[in-house]
Amino acid sequence: DIQMTQSPSSLSASVGDRVTITCRASQSISTYLNWYQQKPGKAPKLLIYAASSLQSGVPSRFSGSGSGTDFTLTISSLQPEDFATYYCQQSYSFPRTFGQGTKLEIK
Amino acid sequence: QVQLQESGPGLVKPSQTLSLTCTVSGASISSGSYYWSWIRQPAGKGLEWIGHMYTGGSTNYNPSLKSRATISVDTSKNQFSLKLSSVTAADTAVYYCAREEGSLWFGAWGQGTLVTVSS
Repeated sequence: DIQMTQSPSSLSASVGDRVTITCRASQSISTYLNWYQQKPGKAPKLLIYAASSLQSGVPSRFSGSGSGTDFTLTISSLQPEDFATYYCQQSYSFPRTFGQGTKLEIK
Repeated sequence: QVQLQESGPGLVKPSQTLSLTCTVSGASISSGSYYWSWIRQPAGKGLEWIGHMYTGGSTNYNPSLKSRATISVDTSKNQFSLKLSSVTAADTAVYYCAREEGSLWFGAWGQGTLVTVSS
């Protein structure tokens, strides 16, 4: 299985901050990398697919980059509704695997 | 806009079979290049992919489930289902159904349903 490791596991930030979350794959996955946002008690929501493509309806302050083994999710200016847990997920091979999550909290 | 809704028992006894159904509305389950997936999340933990099925018949499962999972599709009812056999307390989780676009990303999710395995 491909292991997905996110860092940090938790992060405190303020409204307006620029935030970057990193995801590292245990082997090269090209750009088969997706990012999801999950709020408490809710299903995950797709933000970014294929490493850098913004899902329809997702604010442009979210962006993704990377290829191979190293990927980043950046939120350019944090809004109150962005405080949530973020997961990366690889679709390069089976089984599909997710990172352990990064919990973004209000400072 | 596609919507997915999970249904099934919230409590299952150990060693029995967990059975869940996902009803799809707003789109035909048999059209497009979509795979129909199940994902679970134990309380306070991360996401685990269980498996998926294409309406053309192909399936893939997570080997960690040791062949206990079976996913099937009923195109006449626009539903797909999950059966997980020989459950233990470790199978207690919120179970999500999801539509996977081209076997690449999970673009639509159900709200999730909590299944507890307990006697």
